[in-house]
Amino acid sequence: GQQLNQSPQSMFIQEGEDVSMNCTSSSIFNTWLWYKQDPGEGPVLLIALYKAGELTSNGRLTAQFGTTRKDSFLNISASIPSDVGIYFCAGRRNTDKLIFGTGTRLQVFP
Amino acid sequence: IAGITQAPTSQILAAGRRMTLRCTQDMRHNAMYWYRQDLGLGLRLIHYSNTAGTTGKGEVPDGYSVSRANTDDFPLTLASAVPSQTSVYFCASSDSAGGEQFFGPGTRLTVL
Repeated sequence: GQQLNQSPQSMFIQEGEDVSMNCTSSSIFNTWLWYKQDPGEGPVLLIALYKAGELTSNGRLTAQFGTTRKDSFLNISASIPSDVGIYFCAGRRNTDKLIFGTGTRLQVFP
Repeated sequence: IAGITQAPTSQILAAGRRMTLRCTQDMRHNAMYWYRQDLGLGLRLIHYSNTAGTTGKGEVPDGYSVSRANTDDFPLTLASAVPSQTSVYFCASSDSAGGEQFFGPGTRLTVL
């Protein structure tokens, strides 16, 4: 099946640092979504992107829909301990099913 | 009930046994989904339903079946569990097919 390459696989950073992660696809998508999964819970939607080049923020989180429509980026500024978790990208073409990346595991040290 | 609920929270099951994982949503969403999450593999779609009365196969449907008798409920059945079905199972729903999905808290299943 189609794969989304998400990187990095894991990150270990110090509180206050900025974080960047990305997701790439071999196919064009019309929608990119970013989810966060806290330990022991289900994924929660953070940001949804619907247009190439779109840049959307949600608090300290900023995500961009790549201009090629084959990638997306998520940045977290001034990380805090509660940012710990797994971040998933997901892409979709039209009304096709969502395809999820394999996740970026973020660990924040005080 | 608020959002999506799943039951049980966790289960240990002997291989060969039949098991049904329950999922209920109260958002009147048309579409519902079942995923399994395994370490290093992200979320993989097992089955989905775009509307009550219809179901479809996802990426990894073998060994699983679903039904959608009404809008709110979407049970997932393992007819004869095998150890490779040990995983965390998430149910999700969206207002329409292809819409933003909201996830339940998950069911951790261990098949011995």
